Amino acid sequence: AQTVTQSQPEMSVQEAETVTLSCTYDTSESDYYLFWYKQPPSRQMILVIRQEAYKQQNATENRFSVNFQKAAKSFSLKISDSQLGDAAMYFCAYRSAEYSNYQLIWGAGTKLIIKP
Amino acid sequence: EAQVTQNPRYLITVTGKKLTVTCSQNMNHEYMSWYRQDPGLGLRQIYYSMNVEVTDKGDVPEGYKVSRKEKRNFPLILESPSPNQTSLYFCASSFRLGNEKLFFGSGTQLSVL
Repeated sequence: AQTVTQSQPEMSVQEAETVTLSCTYDTSESDYYLFWYKQPPSRQMILVIRQEAYKQQNATENRFSVNFQKAAKSFSLKISDSQLGDAAMYFCAYRSAEYSNYQLIWGAGTKLIIKP
Repeated sequence: EAQVTQNPRYLITVTGKKLTVTCSQNMNHEYMSWYRQDPGLGLRQIYYSMNVEVTDKGDVPEGYKVSRKEKRNFPLILESPSPNQTSLYFCASSFRLGNEKLFFGSGTQLSVL
């Protein structure tokens, strides 16, 4: 069974600095999708970025980028120029590309604190 | 506005009193799912539905029921709630699977006394 591990329960960063949140996963599959979701205090879950395993290029969305290391099964999220609005819980998630597999496997989350 | 509407936002109940959490989406999505979120555990899938009248168990289905009589609605039913079902619940939907973005409801914080 697949698992997703976020080893940092909490991280803090100074406003305008860069922070990296780590995520590792375990799978025997070769094709899958990886996601980072953000959950601010409002509880609303927001998709930050997604990566397809067959794409070697790392995904980027404005200040958010990932470092996808398929062999190492690592999928870290880098937030550049941190802003106060980035304060939230961040969840890493895995989904199989197999059509009959409907599960989204989630990590335990990392709480990101932004210091003004 | 495209959205998933989940109600209520907060709910306090007592052990054994049946309750329903409603979930409705206006995007004609085929896939809908329920999750529970607990500290240190992330989100765990309770039930999901690929289309009308098609539902299946996720990782933690015990104590829950769902139905999908219409495409837009996917209620979560707790027939006899127990304190270990105290949790934050989310409904989510997407058009298909794969790398599709999930649209989430605003969550229901349930406390079972």
